[in-house]
Amino acid sequence: DAGITQSPRHKVTETGTPVTLRCHQTENHRYMYWYRQDPGHGLRLIHYSYGVKDTDKGEVSDGYSVSRSKTEDFLLTLESATSSQTSVYFCAIGTGVIETQYFGPGTRLLVL
Amino acid sequence: QQQVKQSPQSLIVQKGGISIINCAYENTAFDYFPWYQQFPGKGPALLIAIRPDVSEKKEGRFTISFNKSAKQFSLHIMDSQPGDSATYFCAAHSGGSNYKLTFGKGTLLTVNP
Repeated sequence: DAGITQSPRHKVTETGTPVTLRCHQTENHRYMYWYRQDPGHGLRLIHYSYGVKDTDKGEVSDGYSVSRSKTEDFLLTLESATSSQTSVYFCAIGTGVIETQYFGPGTRLLVL
Repeated sequence: QQQVKQSPQSLIVQKGGISIINCAYENTAFDYFPWYQQFPGKGPALLIAIRPDVSEKKEGRFTISFNKSAKQFSLHIMDSQPGDSATYFCAAHSGGSNYKLTFGKGTLLTVNP
């Protein structure tokens, strides 16, 4: 998985609780992305980062926030989890040289 | 709003057959078209990619055909094998410096032995 780890790999939480997912890379790539994958929707971009402390919204950013204080770490936070945020979350990194993204193993999140 | 339309949603092929997955787009600013392969429980992995200045790219049993005027591109898997059973996503890069990709909804391919 191209030097990308995600933690936790599985999480069950309750509606209304905050949740933070972590993506860690060892490739020193500038670009990092958070996607969610849902049946019938494919992969949808939540937020992305183009450098330390530089982030921007994707197409489904409502209810999510991100932070990137170090090149290697990109955090995704659900401030108050809802059942609609039950999904599989993938982190990806980009080389910034060509338009290729490498994906992590995913985090399966269940919000009850 | 979906900018990359992928079909079919699912596909069943016999071993040795040809698998064909199609994608269509509207945004003429798209300048790079990768295909990703995803096995159950894994993240998507880049399979093959093409730029719009070529009409075809082949890597082993996998070929991308690109029709710029029709704004369509397709993935052909020749001599399909059971190990090719996976979900396939087409994607498109919309230009600019942040390298964002827009994905199709995916095709679940099953290759029967």
